[in-house]
Amino acid sequence: DAMVIQNPRYQVTQFGKPVTLSCSQTLNHNVMYWYQQKSSQAPKLLFHYYDKDFNNEADTPDNFQSRRPNTSFCFLDIRSPGLGDAAMYLCATSLRVFGRNNEQFFGPGTRLTVL
Amino acid sequence: AQSVSQHNHHVILSEAASLELGCNYSYGGTVNLFWYVQYPGQHLQLLLKYFSGDPLVKGIKGFEAEFIKSKFSFNLRKPSVQWSDTAEYFCAVPSGGSYIPTFGRGTSLIVHP
Repeated sequence: DAMVIQNPRYQVTQFGKPVTLSCSQTLNHNVMYWYQQKSSQAPKLLFHYYDKDFNNEADTPDNFQSRRPNTSFCFLDIRSPGLGDAAMYLCATSLRVFGRNNEQFFGPGTRLTVL
Repeated sequence: AQSVSQHNHHVILSEAASLELGCNYSYGGTVNLFWYVQYPGQHLQLLLKYFSGDPLVKGIKGFEAEFIKSKFSFNLRKPSVQWSDTAEYFCAVPSGGSYIPTFGRGTSLIVHP
């Protein structure tokens, strides 16, 4: 089945220690997104890629970076995690950003714990 | 910035009860309105979406939603819920300057058998 895969499902890191979260997709979608979701809150868009074009949300902290080396993979790098960065990180894909085929397909998420 | 309000954060129903979950947004929302669902232990998945045309949209598992432009609302309904509808439900509406949807904080629905 075509899907969005996130690794690892659970990640524990130390305060200030860089961490990378991984997302891959077999849907061949053009767009990949990273969301941060804290408990009882809405998923918050951090950034997205349309093909190789990177789009950062205005309020995404500089501590968060992303890479998309090819269509299938996208990475979220947190350079110096703070306690406030503990959250569920969701990866999603869509064929397009707008139009009929822009519904998002989500991965299972990575739960990040910062000690 | 766009804000999406889901007024009911927690809803508890018995099987066969009718369901309506509210979703209001601050502006825009003329195309591509979404409801996503997250069943326990599973990832977010699309329940239904409005793109254009008939404002009453049918989704999977008997769900429907009505887009009322004048009220900035896109409420989710189901006439008779089942235990298997227990899940978290998220409304998502694009911001005015972007087609990417902004999510509401979600409504947790528990259906008792």
